[in-house]
Amino acid sequence: GGIITQTPKFLIGQEGQKLTLKCQQNFNHDTMYWYRQDSGKGLRLIYYSITENDLQKGDLSEGYDASREKKSSFSLTVTSAQKNEMAVFLCASSIRLGGHAETLYFGSGTRLTVL
Amino acid sequence: GDSVTQKEGLVTLTEGLPVMLNCTYQTIYSNAFLFWYVHYLNESPRLLLKSSTDNKRTEHQGFHATLHKSSSSFHLQKSSAQLSDSALYYCALSHTGYQNFYFGKGTSLTVIP
Repeated sequence: GGIITQTPKFLIGQEGQKLTLKCQQNFNHDTMYWYRQDSGKGLRLIYYSITENDLQKGDLSEGYDASREKKSSFSLTVTSAQKNEMAVFLCASSIRLGGHAETLYFGSGTRLTVL
Repeated sequence: GDSVTQKEGLVTLTEGLPVMLNCTYQTIYSNAFLFWYVHYLNESPRLLLKSSTDNKRTEHQGFHATLHKSSSSFHLQKSSAQLSDSALYYCALSHTGYQNFYFGKGTSLTVIP
């Protein structure tokens, strides 16, 4: 078994601030993802990475940067936090089998509040 | 492009009644993989069911779903709802050659006594 660890669990920032969320996995999975979870909007992909140093933009990448310096870690930066922004950011990883992404394993999330 | 539709955003059921959460999808690829993920409060989302085989019933933890490619559906069912089934349920789609998933907007299921 393995685990995905997201830090911090709660993040409170000020408007305009640059904020970084971190994610570590010990599954040895190839692909890692960052999703944003908003009520009624489902899980929306921000960035994903299929290997170390690879970055692929998702539908919601504007306003975010990502970094995959090691296979086991994937960080997300909110480049300029928006006032009244509240969301949960979920990190996930998956193994690649037969050319497609397999089951996603999720972290417990980082809840962001911007004052 | 590919997409997943979960038409119910909120479902409230009385304990003991059957559960059916709808999931339909659109894809141009014949080799679709469908997933149901469940997200309980204060836990991480996790896989509930997955399938890529047409017309084959898949079961786990009392839930079941059958992928019907003819109708592009993968509805989640359970014969008798329990209070502990209250959670957010996501249907997701992937296909060969694609490293990502298309998620529906999720269905929040609340089971009441």
